[in-house]
Amino acid sequence: DAKTTQPPSMDCAEGRAANLPCNHSTISGNEYVYWYRQIHSQGPQYIIHGLKNNETNEMASLIITEDRKSSTLILPHATLRDTAVYYCIVRAVGETGANNLFFGTGTRLTVIP
Amino acid sequence: KAGVTQTPRYLIKTRGQQVTLSCSPISGHRSVSWYQQTPGQGLQFLFEYFSETQRNKGNFPGRFSGRQFSNSRSEMNVSTLELGDSALYLCASQTTGSSYNEQFFGPGTRLTVL
Repeated sequence: DAKTTQPPSMDCAEGRAANLPCNHSTISGNEYVYWYRQIHSQGPQYIIHGLKNNETNEMASLIITEDRKSSTLILPHATLRDTAVYYCIVRAVGETGANNLFFGTGTRLTVIP
Repeated sequence: KAGVTQTPRYLIKTRGQQVTLSCSPISGHRSVSWYQQTPGQGLQFLFEYFSETQRNKGNFPGRFSGRQFSNSRSEMNVSTLELGDSALYLCASQTTGSSYNEQFFGPGTRLTVL
């Protein structure tokens, strides 16, 4: 029961912005959009999350469309160390929200020197 | 603050054996979730423990079980191992049972079943 759709792979030149899209057309009102990434053979790493407003932290920016049916993760200046699989996840948040994350297939981002 | 630790990091077993994996969450975290990652199925949720009680369970057979101790450390057990159980097993911890909190993942245990 995949709730998100992501392109399987993308390339980005080192130093340029990487824009990773995600479609989540069936997102519910109480579901947030989360992004994690997994560098080869390591555990997933939390990047950012948001509900409906755009969010920015030291790692990335998250742009969510007004209808919330899609979002874009932006890595402003990609480095070789950003090469990883990026997962977009929708997750109900709240006291009774499920803590199981559904990862889907993700986008394999390759940063090219 | 130390991160999530998992032991052992690598394990080789044969079919029919059983295995126990251990996860120590970040200090102060009370919720531990387990995931299985295989090339074919990707990352799949196994179960979540909070305050020594299983709160959520994924779609895995009863051969997969777990428990959590009073210090929040968790173990998962797989009995009667099958070749298809070869995978990276990841655990994640978060501060409370509320899904407001982020999950932090450990490095995983890579299990190979021969």
